[in-house]
Amino acid sequence: KNQVEQSPQSLIILEGKNCTLQCNYTVSPFSNLRWYKQDTGRGPVSLTIMTFSENTKSNGRYTATLDADTKQSSLHITASQLSDSASYICVVTPQNNAGNMLTFGGGTRLMVKP
Amino acid sequence: DVKVTQSSRYLVKRTGEKVFLECVQDMDHENMFWYRQDPGLGLRLIYFSYDVKMKEKGDIPEGYSVSREKKERFSLILESASTNQTSMYLCASSFARQGVREQYFGPGTRLTVT
Repeated sequence: KNQVEQSPQSLIILEGKNCTLQCNYTVSPFSNLRWYKQDTGRGPVSLTIMTFSENTKSNGRYTATLDADTKQSSLHITASQLSDSASYICVVTPQNNAGNMLTFGGGTRLMVKP
Repeated sequence: DVKVTQSSRYLVKRTGEKVFLECVQDMDHENMFWYRQDPGLGLRLIYFSYDVKMKEKGDIPEGYSVSREKKERFSLILESASTNQTSMYLCASSFARQGVREQYFGPGTRLTVT
């Protein structure tokens, strides 16, 4: 069964520090990999999306990397801010999937403290 | 700006009640989805629809039904609510064209069944 595993499950960092979230997947072949940010009580919002041929994508202080050989992705957050406190979800789209079905990771809950 | 709205942010229902959750999108998207999100389990697909009056079961359709009478509206129905259906429900929509198909999420409905 296709799986997406994220680590750590939760993380606490101080404001201004950097952090890296990990995503390992077994979905193969895959079409694209996305990172979503979900604030508490809100729906997920897309941060980055990468096709299998891309290995890095940035969105402001967020940088996602992808290693299709090892089936790993990471999301690096630079100079964290209090507003970065949220859950971050890794999502993989299998190639040739019917109906646009996605495979979701369980998320990493990040808390940024002052 | 893409907008996906859900009829309620919070809902409390009694066991056995019939529950309607409504979702509306304003981007003329063909695809619409209903997910539930539970701690430690991530997002799981309940049903999706790729056209008016069309529906497909997702990973966990038991206990749910859906209705799509108009392109912009997708309803999730709990015929007889049970306590194990207490969850966060998220609606999403996307275009059906080939390639990278971004899914846009609504704000979620937190349903409590007592």
